[in-house]
Order: sequence, then C-alpha cells, then structure tokens
Amino acid sequence: DAGVIQSPRHEVTEMGQEVTLRCKPISGHNSLFWYRQTMMRGLELLIYFNNNVPIDDSGMPEDRFSAKMPNASFSTLKIQPSEPRDSAVYFCASSPGQGNTEAFFGQGTRLTVV
Amino acid sequence: GQQVMQIPQYQHVQEGEDFTTYCNSSTTLSNIQWYKQRPGGHPVFLIQLVKSGEVKKQKRLTFQFGEAKKNSSLHITATQTTDVGTYFCAASGSARQLTFGSGTQLTVLP
Repeated sequence: DAGVIQSPRHEVTEMGQEVTLRCKPISGHNSLFWYRQTMMRGLELLIYFNNNVPIDDSGMPEDRFSAKMPNASFSTLKIQPSEPRDSAVYFCASSPGQGNTEAFFGQGTRLTVV
Repeated sequence: GQQVMQIPQYQHVQEGEDFTTYCNSSTTLSNIQWYKQRPGGHPVFLIQLVKSGEVKKQKRLTFQFGEAKKNSSLHITATQTTDVGTYFCAASGSARQLTFGSGTQLTVLP
C-alpha cells in the first residue's frame, strides 16, 4: 500500500485565494483525521471523519475552513479565503478503526499564504 | 477532545545519556499512543498502551502507562543521534477522536 497520500506537498498562495488540500487515505481505513501543525500551536486536530461522516469538527478554526469526505477514498480541506495566519503544515491521517487505533500520517502539505 | 499535557517541551542530551518525556491527563485515559516525528517528517506511530500499569519495550525505548491510566512516559536509554526528533503522546477522546500532546523535541549532541 502506498500509504496516505496528500497533495500538493507544497502550496504558496496569495491572501484571499481559495486553497484546497487533498487526501487519499489507506484503503480499508474507516477513520480520517485532518491536523494542522505550527510551531506555536503544535499538532491540532481540525476534523475527524468516521465512515465518511464528520464526527468532530470542533477544531475547525473558522467558517473559512471546510472539509468534505465524499467517499471512503478521498477527502478535501478547503480554506476560503486564505489568510497569512493559515500558513502551516496540514497533515491527513487515517486509521483502520477509530481514534483508539494506530493512525497513519501522510507526508503533509506545507501551506504558505503571502 | 481529550487534553493531554506533555513535558518537557525541549530536551538536549549528550549522546549516550538517557531521556524521558512525560504525558499527563486530568481524566482517565482509555489508551495512550506514542509517535515520533523526525525533523521535516510526519508523525510515525511507535506504540499503544491500554492496560493499567502496562510497560512495553522496544529496544532502547521503554513505555509506561500509569496505574490510574492518567499518565504515561517514554524513556530512551543511551540516546543516539538517530533518536533526534519530536515525541508525541496521543489520546482518544469520547468520540474516539485522536488528540496529541504538545510534544517533546529531543536534540542529541554528538
């Protein structure tokens, strides 16, 4: 298995632009997590899906952030409009069970908003 | 999500010295996981502890889960430069979401 696949690996965009991050979880995994990592705030859970259904989105910082999981093999995290403070590394992770089983992380997307 | 506090935030050790990072929660945890993130990399799962008082070893790494299941530790014996990275504990919340501690960044000086 290729593991969790995220795209793009790097994204540089101008403030106000829409940004879409993509994730393909490991086949057969039921849970998908989106995390944001910054020096100041560490690794923050943004949203958690189980069987394609959003279970906990309390970590989504603002209405500018939205996430979807239209099917078991694909998820997106969208930021519209983007702001410089959104600059961070965004990780997607999947797990065969729920949060009580090992999570496999993608390589991450490094987002820079200028 | 489940809140876990992790200390220290940073640790510098001389190669060959031991290293320990601690994770604490105000509530009882159903389980705890440990991850390692190399500089520029992504978190990689190390181990999961489930039972009260559980101790697990992986070569030079020893993981412990407290008797009350409110704390955990990771101890590395005789650190090597390959141990460099950030070590995170992670716990499951009531909705089975996985939340991470703040991490301990380990630097090993040759």
